[in-house]
Amino acid sequence: GNSVTQMEGPVTLSEEAFLTINCTYTATGYPSLFWYVQYPGEGLQLLLKATKADDKGSNKGFEATYRKETTSFHLEKGSVQVSDSAVYFCALSDRGNSGYSTLTFGKGTMLLVSP
Amino acid sequence: EAGVAQSPRYKIIEKRQSVAFWCNPISGHATLYWYQQILGQGPKLLIQFQNNGVVDDSQLPKDRFSAERLKGVDSTLKIQPAKLEDSAVYLCASTQGAQGNTIYFGEGSWLTVV
Repeated sequence: GNSVTQMEGPVTLSEEAFLTINCTYTATGYPSLFWYVQYPGEGLQLLLKATKADDKGSNKGFEATYRKETTSFHLEKGSVQVSDSAVYFCALSDRGNSGYSTLTFGKGTMLLVSP
Repeated sequence: EAGVAQSPRYKIIEKRQSVAFWCNPISGHATLYWYQQILGQGPKLLIQFQNNGVVDDSQLPKDRFSAERLKGVDSTLKIQPAKLEDSAVYLCASTQGAQGNTIYFGEGSWLTVV
């Protein structure tokens, strides 16, 4: 079946540091890949997505490239801010047994940014 | 555009009691999901509807959980009787349905079972 593996957190950085959160996946088909972000006490918000190999998703200074050869979708940001502190979830969307799209999530990586 | 609406936001119940959560998806979204997110873990799919039909409920604990989407719009998720391990955030999400389309989440219903 499908699965997503993320690096364990928490990731602790100082403001303006470079961020990488690793994500690899296993899928039987050709999934779409997503990064969702969850701020404290809130629901999941889509951060970025990529629907095919070599696509790069980007938003709010974050970016991730769909690498089919390494089955990876690592999240990067050049300069993090305190307001980026949140939990980040990597996810894939594929047609499940039902034939309809469903999301499979990783366990999440907490990012803590200090001033 | 209104987002996915969920209620109640917070609920505390004793074990063996029952609870119900309500979700109203984004207008026009045929696919609706209920996910369970236990603290420190990623969301896990409980049930998926396409219009008013169930297309995947393989991970729904059917002895205590039930869900319905009678008119193909809003949905309710019920737990009866609740167990301590049901303490989690219950997330409703919706999408238009095609693979690659963004799946939008509500803010979640936070359940604590004591």
